[in-house]
Amino acid sequence: TQLLEQSPQFLSIQEGENLTVYCNSSSVFSSLQWYRQEPGEGPVLLVTVVTGGEVKKLKRLTFQFGDARKDSSLHITAAQPGDTGLYLCAGKEYGNKLVFGAGTILRVKS
Amino acid sequence: DTEVTQTPKHLVMGMTNKKSLKCEQHMGHRAMYWYKQKAKKPPELMFVYSYEKLSINESVPSRFSPECPNSSLLNLHLHALQPEDSALYLCASSYTSAPTYEQYFGPGTRLTVT
Repeated sequence: TQLLEQSPQFLSIQEGENLTVYCNSSSVFSSLQWYRQEPGEGPVLLVTVVTGGEVKKLKRLTFQFGDARKDSSLHITAAQPGDTGLYLCAGKEYGNKLVFGAGTILRVKS
Repeated sequence: DTEVTQTPKHLVMGMTNKKSLKCEQHMGHRAMYWYKQKAKKPPELMFVYSYEKLSINESVPSRFSPECPNSSLLNLHLHALQPEDSALYLCASSYTSAPTYEQYFGPGTRLTVT
C-alpha cells in the first residue's frame, strides 16, 4: 500500500493569515484529491489534480501537484473562520482505493 | 448533483442488536464504498462494490455485512458489534472504480455501540 504523509497535523492561526498544508509520498499517484471535512459530516471534495506540475485555484485556495506526481500542497490565502475543518489529501491506488493522508486539523480564530 | 445520502444520521445500538445502515445515490455511479472513520482520523476503507459485486473487502470482521441490492443502493448490516466499533460510517460513490473518477462522500452515520 502506498503511503501519504500529510503535514502539519494541527494548525491554529488567526484570521487573515496564510497557510500551507503538504502531502508527500515516495510513490507516484495517478491523481490526488483534496477534501475538507467538518465535524460530524462527510468529506467534501475540493479539487482533483491529475497532471504533474498542475496548479488549480478555488477562490482563496491554491492546489499544486508536484512534477513527479508524488507530492501536493494546499495553500490558503487570508484564512477565514469558515475555513476551519479537517483537510485530507487522498491519492488513488490500484483498484480505485483511496489512500488518505493523516489529515490536517485547521482552526482559524477570529 | 453530487449527492450521496445516508440514513440514519445517528444510531445507538446494544451489542446484541441487529441494525442496518443505508446509502443511496442517483448519479448513475457504478462503484460504491463503505468507510469507517474515528474522530480526527482519516477514513479507513472497509468495502468496495463495483457493478453491484463486492470487489474489495479490507479484512473486515464478519459482524459487518455489506449488501448492494441495486446500482443505487448500498447497505451495511450490523450484528453483535463491539464498543470499539463506535465511529462515523461513511458511504461514497464514484462513476466507476477506475482511478480517474473521484469519490463523493455522504454525510455519514454516527454509530454508538453501548
